[in-house]
Amino acid sequence: DAGVIQSPRHEVTEMGQEVTLRCKLISGHNSLFWYRQTMMRGLELLIYFNNNVPIDDSGMPEDRFSAKMPNASFSTLKIQPSEPRDSAVYFCASSSLAGTQETQYFGPGTRLLVL
Amino acid sequence: AQTVTQSQPEMSVQEAETVTLSCTYDTSESDYYLFWYKQPPSRQMILVIRQEAYKQQNATENRFSVNFQKAAKSFSLKISDSQLGDTAMYFCAFMKQRSEKLVFGKGTKLTVNP
Repeated sequence: DAGVIQSPRHEVTEMGQEVTLRCKLISGHNSLFWYRQTMMRGLELLIYFNNNVPIDDSGMPEDRFSAKMPNASFSTLKIQPSEPRDSAVYFCASSSLAGTQETQYFGPGTRLLVL
Repeated sequence: AQTVTQSQPEMSVQEAETVTLSCTYDTSESDYYLFWYKQPPSRQMILVIRQEAYKQQNATENRFSVNFQKAAKSFSLKISDSQLGDTAMYFCAFMKQRSEKLVFGKGTKLTVNP
């Protein structure tokens, strides 16, 4: 089975531009998590969904960030407008609500640089 | 709110030797999950080992084992017969219950020397 797929792997953009990060869950998984990793703050949760429903978005920095799950296997994280302080590695992870495995499996991450 | 503390920012070990990474956490929950993830220079987050709090037996995965002390809220990772490929950042993480967020420690950078 394919793991969590993220695109793009690297993104360089200029301040003020819109950035869209994409994530495809592992087949059969129904929980989706977006994390951000920076040197200053480490790994922190931005938002997560169970069965396409946002459960906790308290980690979303501000209104410039938005996340959606247009279907059960796909999610987007959008930043509009982007700022240099948004530069980070963004991970998505998926897990299953059912069964015995509660482990979150991570995608390879998107490294975002905002100039 | 739960917190996870990794008190060793960096560690090093000689190849083939054993090393232990420390992790403590703070929670009022009685049932929860604990994880160790490895992040090599590629930045991929890789699960190393997991432990359910209700299980008294310490988890093991090949050369990796944990020492889970529930009363002390301690969850250390032991790596035996260290290999060069074990060089990475190691993150301890707490999860309150299934399909909730992971709370991560700041990480320990482990270097295995030849």
